Order: sequence, then C-alpha cells, then structure tokens
Amino acid sequence: EVQLVESGGGLVQPGGSLRLSCAASGLTFSSYVMSWVRQAPGKGLEWVSAISDSGGRTYYADSVKGRFTISRDNSKNTLYLQMNSLRAEDTAVYYCAKEIRKGIAVADYWGQGTLVTVSS
Amino acid sequence: EIVMTQSPATLSVSPGERATLSCRASQSVSSNLAWYQQKPGQAPRLLIYGASTRATGIPARFSGSGSGTEFTLTISSLQSEDFAVYYCQQYNNWLFGQGTKLEIK
Repeated sequence: EVQLVESGGGLVQPGGSLRLSCAASGLTFSSYVMSWVRQAPGKGLEWVSAISDSGGRTYYADSVKGRFTISRDNSKNTLYLQMNSLRAEDTAVYYCAKEIRKGIAVADYWGQGTLVTVSS
Repeated sequence: EIVMTQSPATLSVSPGERATLSCRASQSVSSNLAWYQQKPGQAPRLLIYGASTRATGIPARFSGSGSGTEFTLTISSLQSEDFAVYYCQQYNNWLFGQGTKLEIK
C-alpha cells in the first residue's frame, strides 16, 4: 500500500524558513514524479512545485519561484520542500502527492498534509 | 494562461438523485482533465483522469465526459458519502478549478 507522510509544518514568523519532508513507502519512489500542493484555510487547491523522478528537473508556481526549493533523496524515499522568505499568504496545508505516471500530472496518492502557519 | 471555471459553486441534490458538475477551460486542454473529491479534513482523492477514465477503486456511479473546453462529472445516484467538494484539474500545467461544493438538499 502506498503511503505518503508529511512532516515539518508549524508556526513560523514572516520572513522565516521551514523545511517540509514527505516520507514515501509502498512504491518504487525513484520511478515517479512527485509534487507539492497546498490549500489555504477554507480555500481551493494550489499546485506549488514538482520534481522529476531523478530529481534533475524541477518546476515551480510563480507564487513561490525563487523562495521555495523542491528536492528528493531517492535513497531515503523522501521528498522535501525548503521554504524561505515565508509570507502570510503561504499559510496552508501542504500535501505531497505522487503522480500517476510519467507525463501525466495527475496525483493518484496524497499524504495527509502538514499545516504551515506564517504569522507574527 | 488557462483559467479553469467550475459551476455551480454549490450544488444541492437529494440522495439517490443525479448530480452534474461542470468545468470549463478558457482554452482547449484536449482530454487532459482530472476530477478530485475532497471531504473536510481529508486529502483530495482522484476520481477521474483523461476526462473519462475512472481511477482505481472508484465506483461506476462516477463518470466523466467532455474534451477541449467543456467537461462534466456526473454522479448517477448520490450516496451519503458523495457529499463533498469536487475539483477539476487540467494537467498541462497542474491548474485546478475553484471547486464545487455538493451538499445535501
């Protein structure tokens, strides 16, 4: 059974940093594109970032480009999101998601999410 | 940039009845359209991709149709567990619609 478990969320001041992790199990992690999707309180879904199966290619939403960095360690089956220069509008539940197959940016498995709150 | 618009924002339907949710793209996305269901406090769940292909384990009462710019998610006979928020997503660039809340009438 595929499991994705996020961690690393919490309360951080504006301008601060946080690193999220997503531990994957039950799949050949290195075979899949992985993404981060966020959801602000009471709002809809917003894609944040994606990374290729090898980690060689990364993609970002304009709202986080230059501030967030996605990475992965295939030897540890773990996905990361380094978030710098955080703003109040980054407050959200952050989900990691596995793409169904290469070339199809559709997520068939999601983690339970980790809450990031940016506030002074 | 492509904009995804879902309608209605809220849909009130009685259990056992049919629900029809719409998603419109501002320009053609071919059949690169997915539907997700999200219940309060839970992660989204993939229902449909490729506009009409049900994901693994999704009941047959869920069906998707459309191509280009107009898409529909139909739930043929609503069960109590189907009341939730539904999002469409065009996966050329991971863009979601704003969601339709399906509530009990």
